[in-house]
Amino acid sequence: SQQGEEDPQALSIQEGENATMNCSYKTSINNLQWYRQNSGRGLVHLILIRSNEREKHSGRLRVTLDTSKKSSSLLITASRAADTASYFCATVSIQGAQKLVFGQGTRLTINP
Amino acid sequence: NAGVTQTPKFQVLKTGQSMTLQCAQDMNHNSMYWYRQDPGMGLRLIYYSASEGTTDKGEVPNGYNVSRLNKREFSLRLESAAPSQTSVYFCASSEEISGNTIYFGEGSWLTVV
Repeated sequence: SQQGEEDPQALSIQEGENATMNCSYKTSINNLQWYRQNSGRGLVHLILIRSNEREKHSGRLRVTLDTSKKSSSLLITASRAADTASYFCATVSIQGAQKLVFGQGTRLTINP
Repeated sequence: NAGVTQTPKFQVLKTGQSMTLQCAQDMNHNSMYWYRQDPGMGLRLIYYSASEGTTDKGEVPNGYNVSRLNKREFSLRLESAAPSQTSVYFCASSEEISGNTIYFGEGSWLTVV
């Protein structure tokens, strides 16, 4: 089964609003990563947060990590129509082969 | 610097036919991966190669074989295609296997009829 599970599965907001997506996972992790996928394209890495970090920023992106709750959130501030995409979290377990395991993604639609 | 390049982009196969998806990366990465993406299922790892000369099964390896031809190239073969293998396939690479950022190709849309 998938390690990461995003919530909500779909999100539709107005341009300029903030978008928040959540990710929950099951096992202890080494790091957690967020990726973006535009329709018909490959995934693009957005940000990586390590297990000893609680918050990380990159431009309009803010990621938080709560290892006690096994959850992470991705906040996109001042959303733009170009942010319309699917967003995936991916986790690297501390046990076993350290491969990325992806969740099912959140489909974000920004309405102009 | 093209990153990860995979071919073909689109392919239609008949049940029972075989085909190979090709992938190459020019970033000198050690690790390479093949994922499939299906609606509502996210990305699932088929096979991966932690380093040149090694390959390992991922979450959904049945019906597939892989070859790490050299450090740059990692191919995925469907020996006898089935309709359940209709999917979008992504090749990817990373510097090492241990949780580094993964770089993806643009995908290959495969339909098995």
